[in-house]
Formats: sequence, structure tokens, C-alpha cells
Amino acid sequence: DIQMTQSPSSLSASVGDRVTITCRASQGISNSLAWFQQKPGKAPKSLIYAASSLQSGVPSRFSGSGSGTDFTLTISSLQPEDFATYYCQQYNSYPITFGQGTRLEIK
Amino acid sequence: EVQLVESGGGLVQPGGSLRLSCEASGFIFSDHYMDWVRQAPGKGLEWVGRTRRKANSYTTEYAASVKGRFTISRDDSKNSLYLQMNSLKTEDTAVYYCARVKSGFYYFDYWGQGTLVTVSS
Repeated sequence: DIQMTQSPSSLSASVGDRVTITCRASQGISNSLAWFQQKPGKAPKSLIYAASSLQSGVPSRFSGSGSGTDFTLTISSLQPEDFATYYCQQYNSYPITFGQGTRLEIK
Repeated sequence: EVQLVESGGGLVQPGGSLRLSCEASGFIFSDHYMDWVRQAPGKGLEWVGRTRRKANSYTTEYAASVKGRFTISRDDSKNSLYLQMNSLKTEDTAVYYCARVKSGFYYFDYWGQGTLVTVSS
């Protein structure tokens, strides 16, 4: 199985900050990587697919990059509604696997 | 508008069975692979399995943790996805989400709101 490791596990930041979350795959996955946002008690929401493509309707302050084993999710200017937990996911091979999550909290 | 609505969750004893449903609307259900993903209380996301579409013979994939106990099926005439769960264990306690797989890209573009399954005596 491909292990997905996110860092950091938690992060405190302020409105307006630029934030970067990293996801590393235990083996190469090309660009078969997605990012999701989840708020407490809610379903995950798709943000990014194919490592860097923005899901329709997602604000442009979200961006993704990377290929192979190392990927990043960047939020260019944090908004109050962005405080949530973020997950990466590889869909290159079965079983599909997720990172452990990064909790983004208000400083 | 794409909508996925899960139902069928509840309390079940260890060793018991439960069938979850996911009713889809707002898109051509038969065109898409569909998946189940679960989330244990306070934990991260875990992929459960996938059903492909008719053109791919409705073939399925499963996580090792549920293979042989869970069965994913679909009824395209009813725009519905199912998860039959047998021999349930306490560690199967989770919110179960259905998710649509984006055609040609194979990632989850839409998720349902989830249904809670609690396995406890």
C-alpha cells in the first residue's frame, strides 16, 4: 500500500497568512493526488485534483503543486472560512489512501 | 445540482449485518464509478471500496480491512449505490460516505453527507 504522510499534523495561523501543507507519498504516484477540506461534522469537500487542478467553484487562493512523491497545498491568504482539516489522497493505485490530515487552527 | 444522500445507518451488534444506501441525483449516475469512504469518530478518512460502471462490468475493488465482509453494488435504474456490511466488528464504527468518482480523472468530486454506523453490544 502507498503511505501518505502529511506535515504538519496541526498548524496555527492568522487571517491573511500564507499557509503551505506538505504531503509525501511512500512511492511515486505521478500526479494522481487530490486535496480535500473537511469542517467539523461535515463531509469532505474537493479542492484540488491531478495535484494542481482547481475543482470548479473553489477559490483561487487555493493552489496545489508537485509530482511523483512530494506535493504541497498552498492557501495564499487565509480567510476565516478556511480553518478546517485538510487531507491529501492518492488515487494512482489500489488501495486508495489518505494522509492523516492537517488541522488548521486560528492563532 | 449533484446530490448524494446516504441512509441506512444505525446501531448494530458485533457480528451483525447492515445495508447502506446512497441515492444520487443531478447527474447521469450510470456514467460514474462510485465509492464508499468511512471515518471513525475523531479519526481520518479510510477508503472502503469502489464499483465501476456497466461498461466496466460493474467490477469492484475493496480495502483489505473489509474484503470478504462488505459488498458494494449499484442499481442504475434507481440511481442508487449500496454497501452490504456483514460480520460487523466494533472497529467498523464510523460515518460512511458515498462519493462520486470524476469520469476520466478518478478522484472524488462530490461526497454525500454521511450516515453513522455504530457497532456495539
